[in-house]
Amino acid sequence: ETGVTQTPRHLVMGMTNKKSLKCEQHLGHNAMYWYKQSAKKPLELMFVYNFKEQTENNSVPSRFSPECPNSSHLFLHLHTLQPEDSALYLCASSQVVSEYSNQPQHFGDGTRLSIL
Amino acid sequence: AQTVTQSQPEMSVQEAETVTLSCTYDTSENNYYLFWYKQPPSRQMILVIRQEAYKQQNATENRFSVNFQKAAKSFSLKISDSQLGDTAMYFCAFKVLDNYGQNFVFGPGTRLSVLP
Repeated sequence: ETGVTQTPRHLVMGMTNKKSLKCEQHLGHNAMYWYKQSAKKPLELMFVYNFKEQTENNSVPSRFSPECPNSSHLFLHLHTLQPEDSALYLCASSQVVSEYSNQPQHFGDGTRLSIL
Repeated sequence: AQTVTQSQPEMSVQEAETVTLSCTYDTSENNYYLFWYKQPPSRQMILVIRQEAYKQQNATENRFSVNFQKAAKSFSLKISDSQLGDTAMYFCAFKVLDNYGQNFVFGPGTRLSVLP
């Protein structure tokens, strides 16, 4: 079992649908992240949660809505998406020990999202 | 703003040979960490190696080693005795230390193919 589990693996949805991506980490970490990975583009950090509090929101459109009910679970709620939102969405977690923490991120397998 | 550049979109190497992937970054920070991640076709991002900016000694992990040149802001990855399982996308990543911030910045990646 991987430390970070994402469901579903694949998702096809219409532009008017509402769906959610789920991420669960089994590593006891206290920080979780959503990334968007598009072809031929760098990984784009979307949201960061430290200790369940959102600390980063990198100008992500409001059609993406994150939720972090506890330190082990992270959701990405989707509604009224656009074709350019088709991408691989990766969840990651890490342990924040201190401001000098060098703990790396552990990634899930991602959800491949296709918008019709 | 921090940026990470990987100037080689694709590379190939013969099995058992050595290959070096380049990475440069731009930052005005003095305390930070650098990482190399590997993403095989299975999609999961896996940490390969990490380097603390305050350490002069280059990190090594078995067949993987880095050449960290802080003044030049360069962080290349050397893979020795390449194996078919090393075929993957390789991402260089940078993390600044900023009051418990966990802002990771990733490069665009280098696609490495190990040829039999």
